[in-house]
Amino acid sequence: AQKVTQAQTEISVVEKEDVTLDCVYETRDTTYYLFWYKQPPSGELVFLIRRNSFDEQNEISGRYSWNFQKSTSSFNFTITASQVVDSAVYFCALSGGNNDMRFGAGTRLTVKP
Amino acid sequence: DAGVIQSPRHEVTEMGQEVTLRCKPISGHNSLFWYRQTMMRGLELLIYFNNNVPIDDSGMPEDRFSAKMPNASFSTLKIQPSEPRDSAVYFCASSPEGVQFFGPGTRLTVL
Repeated sequence: AQKVTQAQTEISVVEKEDVTLDCVYETRDTTYYLFWYKQPPSGELVFLIRRNSFDEQNEISGRYSWNFQKSTSSFNFTITASQVVDSAVYFCALSGGNNDMRFGAGTRLTVKP
Repeated sequence: DAGVIQSPRHEVTEMGQEVTLRCKPISGHNSLFWYRQTMMRGLELLIYFNNNVPIDDSGMPEDRFSAKMPNASFSTLKIQPSEPRDSAVYFCASSPEGVQFFGPGTRLTVL
């Protein structure tokens, strides 16, 4: 069975602080994909990143970075120098080879000015 | 590209009525997914299609729910009869391979 755990329900930071959103997953598949999506207050789900299980290289995109560690089954997401516009619910998700994507419960990030 | 299109964006109906949600996937995407989002249960996959064929409908809550994809550019999710506990945001997503792109969702309220 596949499972994604986002233990942090809510996080609140002040603008310009760095913040890390945790994601831990469980799967028996040897090939799988990990994702992060952002859901701003407007409600749409915005794709941020996909990682496959064979690529543990960390990735940086502007203020966003992702740390994938198979040894701890984690795929954490860090926002550097947070901004008010980063306020949203962030979902981590896992998909095996069959397109069956499982989402975590989400972490609500509030960035205060 | 217009992205995934869903209609209506908001639907308010009374218990017992039939509700039909519509989705137009991104052109060229061969997979289509229907999700439901509630506070209690989060994001749940209801059903997905590959090349217009339903592949996995194990997430459909009960027989009141049905989904069709008559062609590559259109899908419907129908609830008949609707119940208050069906109130949720329903998302449609499409995918060429792997990454799913979501529509804006339909907020359904069943009174």
